[in-house]
Amino acid sequence: AQTVTQSQPEMSVQEAETVTLSCTYDTSENNYYLFWYKQPPSRQMILVIRQEAYKQQNATENRFSVNFQKAAKSFSLKISDSQLGDTAMYFCAFMTLNQGGKLIFGQGTELSVKP
Amino acid sequence: GAVVSQHPSRVICKSGTSVKIECRSLDFQATTMFWYRQFPKQSLMLMATSNEGSKATYEQGVEKDKFLINHASLTLSTLTVTSAHPEDSSFYICSASDRYTEAFFGQGTRLTVV
Repeated sequence: AQTVTQSQPEMSVQEAETVTLSCTYDTSENNYYLFWYKQPPSRQMILVIRQEAYKQQNATENRFSVNFQKAAKSFSLKISDSQLGDTAMYFCAFMTLNQGGKLIFGQGTELSVKP
Repeated sequence: GAVVSQHPSRVICKSGTSVKIECRSLDFQATTMFWYRQFPKQSLMLMATSNEGSKATYEQGVEKDKFLINHASLTLSTLTVTSAHPEDSSFYICSASDRYTEAFFGQGTRLTVV
């Protein structure tokens, strides 16, 4: 069975600084997707970034980038130039290719960006 | 991206009554939808997989008689919380995928049982 682990329940960062959120996962699959989702106080799930396991290049989306280490089963999220609007819960999630879009989530990291 | 709509966003019901939550894929057909439950400050826990035209698949520990799932069309799945009790109060959220490469979420439903 797949598992996703986020070992940082809470983190804080000063506005404009950089922060890295950690995520590790366990799977015997070779092809899969990894995601970081943001959940603000509205509780709407917002996709931050996606990584296909078969791609060696790390995904980037503006201020958000990942460090994907497939052999180590590690998938960290780096947020650069942190903004107050980045304050939210962040979930790391795993999806295999043959389960119709089913996601397995990590425990979440509550990020606070301080002015 | 694809759009998933969930209704209602907030519902309060009396203990012992049933409440139905709808999840619709607005611009794609979803043969499979997923229902998650989330407690405050916690992660999303998968409750069940909703399959169009067939029975739902429930995760271990989820009472199938308590949480009835019906996926009668390719764009609609419903979750009915039967004989609701205060411990069923939670945030329920659905998701669906159009090409199985990304999940799209409804807005979620905050259920309060009084």
